Amino acid sequence: QVQLVESGGGVVQPGRSLRLSCAASGFTFSNYGMNWVRQAPGKGLEWVAVISYDGGNQYYLDSVKGRFSISRDNSKNTLYLQMNSLRPEDTAVYYCAKDSSIGARTFDYWGQGTLVTVSS
Amino acid sequence: EIVLTQSPATLSVSPGETATLSCRASQILNRGYLAWYQQKPGQAPRLLIYGVSTRATGIPARFSGSGSGTEFTLTISSLQSEDFAVYYCQQYNNWPPVTFGGGTKVEIK
Repeated sequence: QVQLVESGGGVVQPGRSLRLSCAASGFTFSNYGMNWVRQAPGKGLEWVAVISYDGGNQYYLDSVKGRFSISRDNSKNTLYLQMNSLRPEDTAVYYCAKDSSIGARTFDYWGQGTLVTVSS
Repeated sequence: EIVLTQSPATLSVSPGETATLSCRASQILNRGYLAWYQQKPGQAPRLLIYGVSTRATGIPARFSGSGSGTEFTLTISSLQSEDFAVYYCQQYNNWPPVTFGGGTKVEIK
């Protein structure tokens, strides 16, 4: 069965960096685009970034452009999100989400999420 | 960026009744790329509907989607106890960015 397991969250001071990981299993990871979606405490969902199946293309939410970087290692079935210059408004649960099999930007499997808290 | 506005914010419904949730887009979704997700407390979202009206794998027939242009609806017939949750619409018609609505909470009346 498909599994996505995020790790790397924690408490970090404003301006510092953090790297999230998402370990994938149960499907052919290298065939699918992968996304990061976040949810601030008590708030709705916000898409953050996507990377194509081969890592060749990445797209970002404007508010994270230049600060966050999405990458993947298909040999390790792992997705990453490097977050630099973190701000309090980046505080959220970060989910990795798999592009669905229909080939469009919907998300058919999600991880359980990892909490990032940006606070001094 | 396409903004999605969901209404109402909270919907109180009795078990067995029908819930009707709305999602309005700030621009026409000319390709009909509109999806719905369900999220329960402490859980990740679950894909329910994509392409306005196609149910995802394993989703019961009591969930149905409709609409076109800028107005879309999720209907949940004969509400079961497990259906009380927050529902989000999502557009993937024009991206980046993919955008979500603010959510509708369906609670027990």
